Amino acid sequence: GAGVSQSPRYKVTKRGQDVALRCDPISGHVSLYWYRQALGQGPEFLTYFNYEAQQDKSGLPNDRFSAERPEGSISTLTIQRTEQRDSAMYRCASSLGAPPNHEQYFGPGTRLTVT
Amino acid sequence: AQRVTQPEKLLSVFKGAPVELKCNYSYSGSPELFWYVQYSRQRLQLLLRHISRESIKGFTADLNKGETSFHLKKPFAQEEDSAMYYCAQGRDDKIIFGKGTRLHILP
Repeated sequence: GAGVSQSPRYKVTKRGQDVALRCDPISGHVSLYWYRQALGQGPEFLTYFNYEAQQDKSGLPNDRFSAERPEGSISTLTIQRTEQRDSAMYRCASSLGAPPNHEQYFGPGTRLTVT
Repeated sequence: AQRVTQPEKLLSVFKGAPVELKCNYSYSGSPELFWYVQYSRQRLQLLLRHISRESIKGFTADLNKGETSFHLKKPFAQEEDSAMYYCAQGRDDKIIFGKGTRLHILP
C-alpha cells in the first residue's frame, strides 16, 4: 500500500508569507507526528496527534506554528509570517498506535526555503 | 532535558571491517531506544529497537544502562550500509533524535 505522503515536496517562499504543509498518513494509522530537521541536525519533535486530537504541541517553536488534523487523517502544518530561520526539512510520520512503542513510518519530507 | 548524543558526524570504514556507531542517552529510567537509518534518496526508516532484540541487516545494538549507551554494531561492513544513522530515545509521546552519523563504507 501507499506510504506516508507529503506535499509539496519543495516550497520556496518569501519572508512574511504563510505556508501550509500537508501530510497524508498511512490509512488506518492513528498517530501522526510532525518533525523539523535543520541541516546537520536530527529530526526535532514538533507536535503529535492521536486521531484528530492534538496530544502534544510542546515542540512548536512559537505561535506562528500551528497544526491540525480535523478528521483524524490528513494533517496540515501551517507557518504564519515565515522567517528565514524557518527554512528546514519538515517531516511527517504516522504509526498504528500510541507512541513511542509503535514504529513510525516517515514521509519523504517537505523542504521549505524562506528567502 | 533529554539528550541523545552521537559523537561522530562522519565515520569511514573499509568494506569488510567492523562498524560501531556510538550513541549515548541521558534518561536514567528505562528508556525506549531506536536506531533509524536514511539511505540515499530514501525515507527515514526504523532499523532496530532495543526491546525487540533483533538483528537487522547484520546490525545489533545492546543497551548498556551503566554507560547509558546504545551503540550500533556490525561485524563486517558492506557497501550498501553507507547511509545516515540516527539514534533515538522514546519517552511518553516523543522520540528524541540524535544529530546523526554519516557512515561511509570505503571499497
